[in-house]
Amino acid sequence: AQSVTQPDIHITVSEGASLELRCNYSYGATPYLFWYVQSPGQGLQLLLKYFSGDTLVQGIKGFEAEFKRSQSSFNLRKPSVHWSDAAEYFCAVGSGGYQKVTFGTGTKLQVIP
Amino acid sequence: EAGVTQSPTHLIKTRGQQATLRCSPISGHTSVYWYQQALGLGLQFLLWYDEGEERNRGNFPPRFSGRQFPNYSSELNVNALELEDSALYLCASSSADSKGADTQYFGPGTRLTVL
Repeated sequence: AQSVTQPDIHITVSEGASLELRCNYSYGATPYLFWYVQSPGQGLQLLLKYFSGDTLVQGIKGFEAEFKRSQSSFNLRKPSVHWSDAAEYFCAVGSGGYQKVTFGTGTKLQVIP
Repeated sequence: EAGVTQSPTHLIKTRGQQATLRCSPISGHTSVYWYQQALGLGLQFLLWYDEGEERNRGNFPPRFSGRQFPNYSSELNVNALELEDSALYLCASSSADSKGADTQYFGPGTRLTVL
């Protein structure tokens, strides 16, 4: 069965600092990987997705993620964090086609001035 | 392009009552997913409908049920409400692209409060 682990429950960074959120997945074949962001009380917004091809994926809001098959990871990065990036971030893995997508437990990002 | 819409935004019920939540998918999407997000419990998968059929179900009791209509909109019904059903209920819709990959797009959610 597929699974996703986000090892960091909370992360605090200073505004302007770089950010990396970790995501590890477990899946037998080539996975479909996603990152979503959720502001308090809101739905989830898709940041980026990886299906195949270039392992470095660019998303919205200046985010990027790198798929590393050897490490079963899909970490999310941003070179300079803005206060508006404070939110909860979810990594997810799917198997393609009409199959269930599994979400990680989320990482809450706090941005301090 | 209009996104996924959900109604109502907020819903307050008392224990034992029934709640009905509604979701309209993005135009052209045939799959609808329901998730429960209770405080501190992350996203819990509830139900998945595609082409009017229930395709998969999460680990929830039968009092959580739903349906998908011919226009692909969906309803989630929760019977015999319990206090622990208080949560944000999220709906997502999806459509497989040419590679067969399935990306879910979420609505803003319905906040259900059970008193």
